[in-house]
Amino acid sequence: DGGITQSPKYLFRKEGQNVTLSCEQNLNHDAMYWYRQDPGQGLRLIYYSQIVNDFQKGDIAEGYSVSREKKESFPLTVTSAQKNPTAFYLCASQQGDSYEQYFGPGTRLTVT
Amino acid sequence: AQKITQTQPGMFVQEKEAVTLDCTYDTSDPSYGLFWYKQPSSGEMIFLIYQGSYDQQNATEGRYSLNFQKARKSANLVISASQLGDSAMYFCAMREGPLSIIQGAQKLVFGQGTRLTINP
Repeated sequence: DGGITQSPKYLFRKEGQNVTLSCEQNLNHDAMYWYRQDPGQGLRLIYYSQIVNDFQKGDIAEGYSVSREKKESFPLTVTSAQKNPTAFYLCASQQGDSYEQYFGPGTRLTVT
Repeated sequence: AQKITQTQPGMFVQEKEAVTLDCTYDTSDPSYGLFWYKQPSSGEMIFLIYQGSYDQQNATEGRYSLNFQKARKSANLVISASQLGDSAMYFCAMREGPLSIIQGAQKLVFGQGTRLTINP
């Protein structure tokens, strides 16, 4: 089945550790996105990528980093510089000539 | 200023009734797109409906329709004949600027959502 996978669904880390969230898509979409969602809030854009080896900062990029070495993969690293990393993280992809963004199931990160 | 405002934190509706979820937006760009997404308790975001700023008619997708009032900058979602499975969070979102094949990616701004509960 075509879609977006994010693993793991739940992730626990100690404060001060970097952690990488995976996002893989087999939809052959060009654009990929990372969003953060806090309890009772809407989604906020962290980073996005229009094409392999290119990515742009979103509205809340501080404390995060990404890479786009392959079309199907867009991993997000939450660094120790992110002050409040505990949140629900959603990855999405989009074909260039379509307006619809397809979302993965999300990863819930808890940092203590 | 908020770009997307959803003023209803929660709504409770009887099954089979129609429901309207409010969304107002703020942009000075003449070209933009408006989206509605559904988020069940499992967390995934499900695309429901899209309206482009230059679209002449209100968008419809099955039981979902978008009441687009450009002059009032509102894009309310109407769900007809609500079902128990419609209980979820609903988010309105906006893309500013035209959707460009060359540009590819589109940045979306989301509202804070409305929690809809359908009662049997």
